[in-house]
Amino acid sequence: DAKTTQPNSMESNEEEPVHLPCNHSTISGTDYIHWYRQLPSQGPEYVIHGLTSNVNNRMASLAIAEDRKSSTLILHRATLRDAAVYYCILRGYNTDKLIFGTGTRLQVFP
Amino acid sequence: DTGVSQDPRHKITKRGQNVTFRCDPISEHNRLYWYRQTLGQGPEFLTYFQNEAQLEKSRLLSDRFSAERPKGSFSTLEIQRTEQGDSAMYLCASSSGTSGRSSSYNEQFFGPGTRLTVL
Repeated sequence: DAKTTQPNSMESNEEEPVHLPCNHSTISGTDYIHWYRQLPSQGPEYVIHGLTSNVNNRMASLAIAEDRKSSTLILHRATLRDAAVYYCILRGYNTDKLIFGTGTRLQVFP
Repeated sequence: DTGVSQDPRHKITKRGQNVTFRCDPISEHNRLYWYRQTLGQGPEFLTYFQNEAQLEKSRLLSDRFSAERPKGSFSTLEIQRTEQGDSAMYLCASSSGTSGRSSSYNEQFFGPGTRLTVL
């Protein structure tokens, strides 16, 4: 399974943008890049995913490097509710399982 | 509430006892997954079902663990002869997908988990 590397923790102030990086240098051509987050005392929830092009949805944006060896999850305006552990996951085309790392714990300060 | 539900939310048991957890997926979802999460770690994949068929099992799933999804709806995860190392949060997730094909683009919806403590 391809591996991802994320910083252990990051901090942000409320209403500021947050850029959460992820390195995945061993990504294969058919791996999708998924992001999930886990709020305290809850199960993980899907945030966004992409393959090659940058993606936007109501929760966040995903910027994917041209060589696909890294990606960045962008929260445009952090809120207190965005405090969570964010997981960057490579998901193969022919697999349904998610392989989580230890993720990045995001703290948001008022 | 139409999300994934799990029961019980908390379970305390003594070493050597058997425990069983239940997961009810989102009703139209044909795929169901079990994960285990220990403190400070991300969830670890255990097994998954498409309808009633168990399609993949992790090496983490020892012979003391068994999962079933008899009618393709709810699922149970049983742990026999529990050990202290089994203490963890057990998470269930479900997703939709086309039979016979992996759904690498389909999001998984997670339940709140069952926290197991083995004394």
